[in-house]
Amino acid sequence: QSVLTQPPSVSGTPGQRVTISCSGSGSNIGSNTVNWYQQLPGAAPKLLIYSNYQRPSGVPGRFSGSKSGTSASLAISGLQSEDEADYYCAAWDDSLNAVLFGGGTRLTAL
Amino acid sequence: QVQVVESGGDVVQPGRSLRLSCAASGFDFSSFGMEWVRQAPGKGLEWVGIISYDAIYKYYSESVKGRFTISRDNSKNTLYLQMNSLRAEDTAMYYCAKVSSPGTLVTSNFDYWGQGTLVAVSS
Repeated sequence: QSVLTQPPSVSGTPGQRVTISCSGSGSNIGSNTVNWYQQLPGAAPKLLIYSNYQRPSGVPGRFSGSKSGTSASLAISGLQSEDEADYYCAAWDDSLNAVLFGGGTRLTAL
Repeated sequence: QVQVVESGGDVVQPGRSLRLSCAASGFDFSSFGMEWVRQAPGKGLEWVGIISYDAIYKYYSESVKGRFTISRDNSKNTLYLQMNSLRAEDTAMYYCAKVSSPGTLVTSNFDYWGQGTLVAVSS
């Protein structure tokens, strides 16, 4: 069981705004930055959001990240069918000296 | 362009050993930490371990500590994962990934990932 908690699934209609939450604790999200990864079906993970809210070059502006206390969120505005994927949050944990991944959230575009 | 390519995956019997490699190119390998992440079939991402740019620091997940060893050869731009005493639950796709910032180790920010190499542990 992951120490970072994400909903197993979310869904939305094209054009809608959807959010994915990631809940942790003081030793991980509360102390370190959160990064988000997108994994398209059959592909390797890809860095989507880094340092809580920064977008790597090439990531569309409809993806945004935020963090407050021991929780973080990924928001997708103007959902597109190509956004159907698994999304993972990640953070370093100071107590475990380890990287923690959330359990992953499967996004479905209805 | 930056590339990391894993190799060495195979079908092995429980209790046996296997070494994975990750060949890096397109960046100054000796300046960046590297990590291994695995994904069991149909499951989520599981962090395996991380190694600093100079191989001085290494951290492992509890599930592999004492059985797996991460190393690197900066002269060959190659990362390794030595896996001993393999178990059925080690069956997974194994990815290597590059730490985004040079000289950083305490991070979950990995900007380039390989396509993975498949390890199956079965009798």
